[in-house]
Amino acid sequence: DQQVKQNSPSLSVQEGRISILNCDYTNSMFDYFLWYKKYPAEGPTFLISISSIKDKNEDGRFTVFLNKSAKHLSLHIVPSQPGDSAVYFCAASNNTDKLIFGTGTRLQVFP
Amino acid sequence: NAGVTQTPKFRILKIGQSMTLQCTQDMNHNYMYWYRQDPGMGLKLIYYSVGAGITDKGEVPNGYNVSRSTTEDFPLRLELAAPSQTSVYFCASSYRRKETQYFGPGTRLLVL
Repeated sequence: DQQVKQNSPSLSVQEGRISILNCDYTNSMFDYFLWYKKYPAEGPTFLISISSIKDKNEDGRFTVFLNKSAKHLSLHIVPSQPGDSAVYFCAASNNTDKLIFGTGTRLQVFP
Repeated sequence: NAGVTQTPKFRILKIGQSMTLQCTQDMNHNYMYWYRQDPGMGLKLIYYSVGAGITDKGEVPNGYNVSRSTTEDFPLRLELAAPSQTSVYFCASSYRRKETQYFGPGTRLLVL
């Protein structure tokens, strides 16, 4: 049972436009959410996180939105840059020591 | 700071062979994790440790063993390699629960 789902395996966006990556979860006990970015042949790197007590967190070009009633979070990248081309994973945690990862969305930003 | 380092980067194993994937972190993190990533899939937790001497199973522990004798090191052992263990393995660490996990560069393992 996939508790964290990223239903879009890929997304293609023009440079300068907004990229929106989506993530849905099923476990209402999740209270902490993260986005990781992964380049080929490298490990994932942390991008941004949000606690369930918030509905928005912003860091430069990256904003994460959380809709608890819909069990949905999204990552907005504005403006998108070619260097943002990577695989993006969302992850969720409840009151345990573990993170549950989604399957990832491959973002391609073209000129 | 080197962060999280993993060796080897790539290995080919024959069915039934054994090997140890090494993971070391120099950030004095208490928590360490082993994940595997199969093509088109997310990261699945194999084992984790909340401190030296303490380990626990994740989602997919079968066929693997771990130990945590020091804060810095968290090796993953494959005793009898099987083709289903062909994957990319990532080690990660964090200082506390619910803090950012820092990942190593990964070990690509091919079992033939």
